[in-house]
Amino acid sequence: DGGITQSPKYLFRKEGQNVTLSCEQNLNHDAMYWYRQDPGQGLRLIYYSQIVNDFQKGDIAEGYSVSREKKESFPLTVTSAQKNPTAFYLCASTSGTGNTGELFFGEGSRLTVL
Amino acid sequence: QKEVEQDPGPLSVPEGAIVSLNCTYSNSAFQYFMWYRQYSRKGPELLMYTYSSGNKEDGRFTAQVDKSSKYISLFIRDSQPSDSATYLCAMSAITNDYKLSFGAGTTVTVRA
Repeated sequence: DGGITQSPKYLFRKEGQNVTLSCEQNLNHDAMYWYRQDPGQGLRLIYYSQIVNDFQKGDIAEGYSVSREKKESFPLTVTSAQKNPTAFYLCASTSGTGNTGELFFGEGSRLTVL
Repeated sequence: QKEVEQDPGPLSVPEGAIVSLNCTYSNSAFQYFMWYRQYSRKGPELLMYTYSSGNKEDGRFTAQVDKSSKYISLFIRDSQPSDSATYLCAMSAITNDYKLSFGAGTTVTVRA
């Protein structure tokens, strides 16, 4: 089955630690995105990538980093510089052929900083 | 002021009722309007998509866009307990990066 796989689903981290969230898609999509979801704030864009080896900052990129070495993979690192990292993180992708807005989402990763 | 405003609710209705959800926006460049449904602890899934102004119907769901008022709506007829979810509006301009602006989401509970 085609889709987006995020791992881990739940992650606990101590303050000062970096963590990496995995996102893999087998939809052959060109564009991939990372969103952060907090209660009452909707989805906010962290980073996005439209092609391998290229990515752009979204609205809240500070304290995060990404890489896009393969078309199917777009990992997100939450660094110790992120002031308030506890959130639900969603990875998404789209084929990029025509702006229909249909993003396909993974099931999310919930990060809790202890 | 947020680019997309959506009342987070929560909204609780009895089974069979009509659910009415709406969003307002400030960016007149938005041309694509979407509604996503998100079940608890899951990723959002696209429910309805509309280009520019007008109405679109899909089964029990109707999406309306009024660009002159910068206002979009989603109506759910004959609501079912399985419709209990968070509904997110999203919109975008004609660009090459497919970036969406999302509302905060409205949590809906349909009581059996």
